[in-house]
Amino acid sequence: QVHLVESGGGVVQPGRSLRLSCAASGFSFISYGMHWVRQAPGKGLEWVAVISYDGSDTYYADSVRGRFTISRDISKNTLFLQMNSLTAEDTAVYYCAKDPWRNSRRLDAFDYWGQGTLVTVSA
Amino acid sequence: DIQMTQSPSSLSASVGDRVTITCRASQTISNYLNWYQHQPGKAPNLLIYAASSLQSGVPSRFSGSGSGTDFTLTISSLQPEDFASYYCQQSYSMPWTFGQGTKVEIK
Repeated sequence: QVHLVESGGGVVQPGRSLRLSCAASGFSFISYGMHWVRQAPGKGLEWVAVISYDGSDTYYADSVRGRFTISRDISKNTLFLQMNSLTAEDTAVYYCAKDPWRNSRRLDAFDYWGQGTLVTVSA
Repeated sequence: DIQMTQSPSSLSASVGDRVTITCRASQTISNYLNWYQHQPGKAPNLLIYAASSLQSGVPSRFSGSGSGTDFTLTISSLQPEDFASYYCQQSYSMPWTFGQGTKVEIK
């Protein structure tokens, strides 16, 4: 059974940094791309970033490029999102999600999601 | 970026009703369209991929259709556990974008 558990959210001041983690289990973590998707309060879903199964490719939404970094630790079956220079517009529930395609660079859908972790950027 | 527009934004329906949600893309996306269900406080759930393929484990009352710019998600007979928000997402070109969502509420 696929299981994704996010952690690391909290309240942070504007301009500061935060690192989110996503612990994965129940599937071959090394074989699948992984995404971060967020949902601001009262808003819809927004794709944030993706990393390929082997970590060689990463892509970002324009709204976070240059500030956020997605990475993965295969030895720990964990996905990360390093978030720098945070602003109020980054306040959201952050979900990690698994890509459906094994050993693929399609990286275009989300078949399993975690429950999310809330990030609040406020002074 | 490809803009995805869903309609309606919300709807009220009764158990047993047939429900249809539409999604329109700002440019042609072939069949690169996925549908998700999201219940408050829970993880979102992939329902349909490639416009009409049912994700494993998803009840057959859910179906998707469409190609090009216009797509439809249909729930043939609404069940109590189907009251949720539904989102379409294009997988044609990055950045991946979602519709604004359709909230299905109990009538």
